[in-house]
Amino acid sequence: EAQVTQNPRYLITVTGKKLTVTCSQNMNHEYMSWYRQDPGLGLRQIYYSMNVEVTDKGDVPEGYKVSRKEKRNFPLILESPSPNQTSLYFCASKYGLAAGELFFGEGSRLTVL
Amino acid sequence: GENVEQHPSTLSVQEGDSAVIKCTYSDSASNYFPWYKQELGKGPQLIIDIRSNVGEKKDQRIAVTLNKTAKHFSLHITETQPEDSAVYFCAASIGGSQGNLIFGKGTKLSVKP
Repeated sequence: EAQVTQNPRYLITVTGKKLTVTCSQNMNHEYMSWYRQDPGLGLRQIYYSMNVEVTDKGDVPEGYKVSRKEKRNFPLILESPSPNQTSLYFCASKYGLAAGELFFGEGSRLTVL
Repeated sequence: GENVEQHPSTLSVQEGDSAVIKCTYSDSASNYFPWYKQELGKGPQLIIDIRSNVGEKKDQRIAVTLNKTAKHFSLHITETQPEDSAVYFCAASIGGSQGNLIFGKGTKLSVKP
């Protein structure tokens, strides 16, 4: 089954404790992206990647890192989480680099105390 | 920066009525306009999209219209059913960004039986 898998789905952590949210897709997609969803703000892009070893900032990259060492994986790293990073995070991928359908994961709800 | 405005933020209709959600975009280079549906606890899923060389597209009870001159596009759902209840997001491609999207803030649609 074609899918985008995120882990963990739920996480409660404390300020400053490094964490990684993993994202994996099995569709051989070139493009992958991370979004955060906050009430009243919609979906905002954090980082995206056009292919292996190619990443770029989205609209809200501060406090986040990403890497793309393999085509299928695109982890989101919070080196020193803060309470304002409490949010619902979505990973998404799509085929090719032209505009087209984004496939989203089920989301990861992160709470930073 | 580029922007997509979406209205209304909440919409309540009776089962069988029609629902209309409207979006405006600012980037005149945008050429791809998808609509995503997000059910509770899930990631957004594409329901319909339209490209700038088309004025209208229909898929059963769902239709999207695009007015490039006015930079408006709208989602129309006819004969609404309770399972149409969800959050709907419009989006527009960012010109020259190789497929990146900017999303509206979302519309929570409630269909009352």
